[in-house]
Amino acid sequence: DVKVTQSSRYLVKRTGEKVFLECVQDMDHENMFWYRQDPGLGLRLIYFSYDVKMKEKGDIPEGYSVSREKKERFSLILESASTNQTSMYLCATTESNTGELFFGEGSRLTVL
Amino acid sequence: QQQVKQSPQSLIVQKGGISIINCAYENTAFDYFPWYQQFPGKGPALLIAIRPDVSEKKEGRFTISFNKSAKQFSLHIMDSQPGDSATYFCAATVRGGGADGLTFGKGTHLIIQP
Repeated sequence: DVKVTQSSRYLVKRTGEKVFLECVQDMDHENMFWYRQDPGLGLRLIYFSYDVKMKEKGDIPEGYSVSREKKERFSLILESASTNQTSMYLCATTESNTGELFFGEGSRLTVL
Repeated sequence: QQQVKQSPQSLIVQKGGISIINCAYENTAFDYFPWYQQFPGKGPALLIAIRPDVSEKKEGRFTISFNKSAKQFSLHIMDSQPGDSATYFCAATVRGGGADGLTFGKGTHLIIQP
């Protein structure tokens, strides 16, 4: 089974802090994604990556950056956290362009 | 522009009843329509998917109905059980167009009352 691990399940940060959300997958998938999930807004794509050191903006990239130094690891970075970035963050991976995404269990971030 | 509209936002169904969630899309290029199921504290997981060359797909108690001319598709859960209580997302994409093109509905919070 594909395993997508998000190391931090719950985080509480203060406004202005730098936040790192880590995601690791064990299936050698090339494609990795970061989504944000908010009630009533569904899943919104922040950034994605099709290869090491490659990144592309999704629908809501403002205030975020990403890093993919190794194939299995995709990090989401909030340079200066703000209260409107309080949300559930979901990492996902896929082997091919099929539409089947494998998600991690999520990182719930609260920014005070 | 919301490319996939999902309704209702929340739904309460009695145990043993039929749960129905509807989605409508605008982009006629979409050719793959997956449904994801998300339990509390978990990430979404693929439940069932359909391509537009068929009008219905059934897997156990879960059925997708697809109406290409109306650009609508729906998820039916027969004999709904409390264990089906979850958030359901419909989605649409163009196969081969990259998973970044996956467009999600806003989700339906389903509660099955025992």
